[in-house]
Amino acid sequence: AQSVTQLDSQVPVFEEAPVELRCNYSSSVSVYLFWYVQYPNQGLQLLLKYLSGSTLVKGINGFEAEFNKSQTSFHLRKPSVHISDTAEYFCAVRGEGGADGLTFGKGTHLIIQP
Amino acid sequence: ETGVTQTPRHLVMGMTNKKSLKCEQHLGHNAMYWYKQSAKKPLELMFVYSLEERVENNSVPSRFSPECPNSSHLFLHLHTLQPEDSALYLCASSPILGDNNEQFFGPGTRLTVL
Repeated sequence: AQSVTQLDSQVPVFEEAPVELRCNYSSSVSVYLFWYVQYPNQGLQLLLKYLSGSTLVKGINGFEAEFNKSQTSFHLRKPSVHISDTAEYFCAVRGEGGADGLTFGKGTHLIIQP
Repeated sequence: ETGVTQTPRHLVMGMTNKKSLKCEQHLGHNAMYWYKQSAKKPLELMFVYSLEERVENNSVPSRFSPECPNSSHLFLHLHTLQPEDSALYLCASSPILGDNNEQFFGPGTRLTVL
């Protein structure tokens, strides 16, 4: 079984500042990792995913994440945030060869302050 | 209509009512999922279907009954629900079952049980 921990339930950041949203996971098998974003009153949209290969993954809207196997982390970063980035961000994991559904973290609410 | 659609977007029901949530995907995918999103909790996978066959049922109470008549449609039939079942119910689809498949989410149905 897998689990995902997003330690920060809420992260306030000023506009144009950098941001990092933390995600740690636990798994006894190799994993595939995902970051989703949920804007108010909408479903989840995929930001980026790590399947294999380069540990630095680039996604949409200027976001990127780095897979660190030794630290079992997959932190999400953006060098300069915009008001429109205000949303809930979810880290998710699926174990290789395991059940097909995703295991999600509790989410981090990113609040951009002008 | 494109992507994954869900109806209704909002639903209020009493504990003795029977209602159904509908999900439709226009992506030609073969796998569909129901998730429950409660406040302050991670998304919970409820059911997984592949080619209209249920492949996963995560210990969901029998008052939730899924139905997948074809690969484009997924229903969640509700009866004698409890107030703690109030949540956002999200439907998702993916091309096939498999480790690295991205899941595409609908906007959700906000359910309130009185």
